[in-house]
Amino acid sequence: EAGVVQSPRYKIIEKKQPVAFWCNPISGHNTLYWYLQNLGQGPELLIRYENEEAVDDSQLPKDRFSAERLKGVDSTLKIQPAELGDSAVYLCASSLRQSPHFGAGTRLSVL
Amino acid sequence: AQSVTQLGSHVSVSEGALVLLRCNYSSSVPPYLFWYVQYPNQGLQLLLKYTSAATLVKGINGFEAEFKKSETSFHLTKPSAHMSDAAEYFCAVSGNNQGGKLIFGQGTELSVKP
Repeated sequence: EAGVVQSPRYKIIEKKQPVAFWCNPISGHNTLYWYLQNLGQGPELLIRYENEEAVDDSQLPKDRFSAERLKGVDSTLKIQPAELGDSAVYLCASSLRQSPHFGAGTRLSVL
Repeated sequence: AQSVTQLGSHVSVSEGALVLLRCNYSSSVPPYLFWYVQYPNQGLQLLLKYTSAATLVKGINGFEAEFKKSETSFHLTKPSAHMSDAAEYFCAVSGNNQGGKLIFGQGTELSVKP
């Protein structure tokens, strides 16, 4: 089966600019996650979707971050405006039950 | 609340030696436990998982882990290290009613010396 696909793989922007990340989950996986991984740390959940509903977004900084999952398939995570501290890897994962499968991630550098 | 502690941010072993990566967890509900591996510039790959069945779990690439409730541990082992095992390893915990939400440890970087 095809894995979780994320794009772009790398993104370099200047602070205060907007940025968007895209994720295509494994076909049939109704649960989709966005995780943030800072350098040298484990991933931390930003938001979890069950189909098109965001069921856990308590860790999403809503003043600058937004996410959507239209039609319960693909998802987009947006940051506007980006700050220096947003430099990190943004991982998307999907699951049918309990074992999330991860994409390769988007490495964001904010200059 | 749930948490994971990985003892040792960096472990170095010789090729052919035993690999032991330590993980202790805290959970107020019966836990599901996972080990993931991350190679440079790649996402996380599931090595193995414990979901309340057998306490000794076998995974891919010759890895296994044992769930010990009395010690709240889920250590990862491999009898003989290969150079290709060099990577970052993450232990994670989830509750069986949390929709797969994972709480990760800080990670352990494994180096394998020839």
